[in-house]
Amino acid sequence: QKEVEQNSGPLSVPEGAIASLNCTYSDRGSQSFFWYRQYSGKSPELIMFIYSNGDKEDGRFTAQLNKASQYVSLLIRDSQPSDSATYLCAVKTSYDKVIFGPGTSLSVIP
Amino acid sequence: KAGVTQTPRYLIKTRGQQVTLSCSPISGHRSVSWYQQTPGQGLQFLFEYFSETQRNKGNFPGRFSGRQFSNSRSEMNVSTLELGDSALYLCASSRQGATSYEQYFGPGTRLTVT
Repeated sequence: QKEVEQNSGPLSVPEGAIASLNCTYSDRGSQSFFWYRQYSGKSPELIMFIYSNGDKEDGRFTAQLNKASQYVSLLIRDSQPSDSATYLCAVKTSYDKVIFGPGTSLSVIP
Repeated sequence: KAGVTQTPRYLIKTRGQQVTLSCSPISGHRSVSWYQQTPGQGLQFLFEYFSETQRNKGNFPGRFSGRQFSNSRSEMNVSTLELGDSALYLCASSRQGATSYEQYFGPGTRLTVT
């Protein structure tokens, strides 16, 4: 079992729809969770982080964390073509390493 | 506030050579982590330095090494380059307070080994 798993996609959504990206992790002691966006040819950009169970909202982005299910998700409301990118889930494990998932490719269709 | 900077941005080396990459973190950030990114393997953790000490290490051979200076700038060295070392090398800095683990990435160094 990989430490951090994501659906590789590609995930295609129409402009204006909600995009839902999912991530599961194996280390139950993990405490910190991050979402990065990476455009082709660019480095990852931190867009959300969440440390507590529940939802955290920032503009059009909502991160959801369920530690009991070892599951973290990212919702993008009112998706725009500029949101088309690869989204990386990262988890800071109980042994202090930040492990990245393989990423989910999102395509927002105008 | 200036972001993370990495030099050089692009590098072409020959198999068997060695290379040194440099990373300057965001001012005030004391932790620097290095990652290798390839299409097949994704983002793989190399090592993390905090206050000039290696705090964590990934599963890479000993040819990959690093260090951190007193001003938090970090260097990564790869000796005896192999074709498979061709990748984007990213460094990320973090403030690393009691509740602050967010990492911010530099633009990366694209290394091509021929």
